[in-house]
Amino acid sequence: DGGITQSPKYLFRKEGQNVTLSCEQNLNHDAMYWYRQDPGQGLRLIYYSQIVNDFQKGDIAEGYSVSREKKESFPLTVTSAQKNPTAFYLCASSYGTSVDTQYFGPGTRLTVL
Amino acid sequence: AQKVTQAQTEISVVEKEDVTLDCVYETRDTTYYLFWYKQPPSGELVFLIRRNSFDEQNEISGRYSWNFQKSTSSFNFTITASQVVDSAVYFCALSERNYGGSQGNLIFGKGTKLSVKP
Repeated sequence: DGGITQSPKYLFRKEGQNVTLSCEQNLNHDAMYWYRQDPGQGLRLIYYSQIVNDFQKGDIAEGYSVSREKKESFPLTVTSAQKNPTAFYLCASSYGTSVDTQYFGPGTRLTVL
Repeated sequence: AQKVTQAQTEISVVEKEDVTLDCVYETRDTTYYLFWYKQPPSGELVFLIRRNSFDEQNEISGRYSWNFQKSTSSFNFTITASQVVDSAVYFCALSERNYGGSQGNLIFGKGTKLSVKP
């Protein structure tokens, strides 16, 4: 079955630690995205990538980093510089630009202890 | 500036009632796309519909229907004969084709939490 997988589903981190969230897709989509969702809020874009080895900052990129070495994979690292990292993180992909429909993974809930 | 407003934070209905979720948007562009997504308690966003700014025809899919009105910048979503399984948070979103900023920007409303009671 084609789709987007994210792992782990739940993640706990101590303050000061970096942590990497995984996102993999087998839909053959060119574009991939990372969003952050806080309680009672909509989604906000962290980073996106339209092609391998290229990515762009979204609205709230500070304290995060990404890589896009393979078409299928777009991992997100939450660094210790991110002041308030506890949130729900959603990965998405689409054929091309944002005007194409974005399909979402199941999400990772990160909690900083 | 781009903006999506979902004024209804929470709605509670009894099963079999019809319910309409409101979405009002602001955009600078003449070419844009509107989306609705459903987020059940599991957390994953499920795509429901995509509509471009040149297609104002209403759409019906089973118990779901969408009313797009450019004159009022609204893209409302109606569930007919609601069911308990419809309980979720519903998001409306906007994307502009010629947005000068990040092309990856899908602007979301804050969502409407729908609770359908048996």
